[in-house]
Amino acid sequence: GNSVTQMEGPVTLSEEAFLTINCTYTATGYPSLFWYVQYPGEGLQLLLKATKADDKGSNKGFEATYRKETTSFHLEKGSVQVSDSAVYFCATNTGNQFYFGTGTSLTVIP
Amino acid sequence: DGGITQSPKYLFRKEGQNVTLSCEQNLNHDAMYWYRQDPGQGLRLIYYSQIVNDFQKGDIAEGYSVSREKKESFPLTVTSAQKNPTAFYLCASSLTRDRVGEQYFGPGTRLTVT
Repeated sequence: GNSVTQMEGPVTLSEEAFLTINCTYTATGYPSLFWYVQYPGEGLQLLLKATKADDKGSNKGFEATYRKETTSFHLEKGSVQVSDSAVYFCATNTGNQFYFGTGTSLTVIP
Repeated sequence: DGGITQSPKYLFRKEGQNVTLSCEQNLNHDAMYWYRQDPGQGLRLIYYSQIVNDFQKGDIAEGYSVSREKKESFPLTVTSAQKNPTAFYLCASSLTRDRVGEQYFGPGTRLTVT
């Protein structure tokens, strides 16, 4: 079945630093790939998605490219802000089944 | 505005009591899901339903029960058989007809059992 492996945290960065959170997947068929963000005490919010190879998802300065050759979907942001502090989840799906990574906690310090 | 609502936000129960968590969506989504999240952990699937009056067990269904009598509603009952029920519970939904579609999540219910 499908699975997702993402970089373990926690990650601590200074404001305006470059962010990369690694995510690799195993999947059958043609899955979509997602990044979700969770702020403390809240549900998950979709951050961005990509539905086919070489697609780039982007939102709020975050980007991730669907790389079929390396089975990866790494999350990047050029300059993080304190407000980006949250837990980030990589996910994939097969039809109506969704598979989540274990989450990476990010703390951005001023 | 369309979305998923979960109530209550916080729930406290004594050990040995059953408790039902509410999940309602007005997105006209076919599929609904319940996940459990423990501190510092990822999401674990409890139950999911792809259509009214049908549901399937997820990875950790023991001690839980669900019903899907209406498309909009997917309540979760945490029974006294669940050995460690204190956790953060998340409900989600998605369109089954949309292969590329994402899940939408509710705000969660934090259940504390003492």
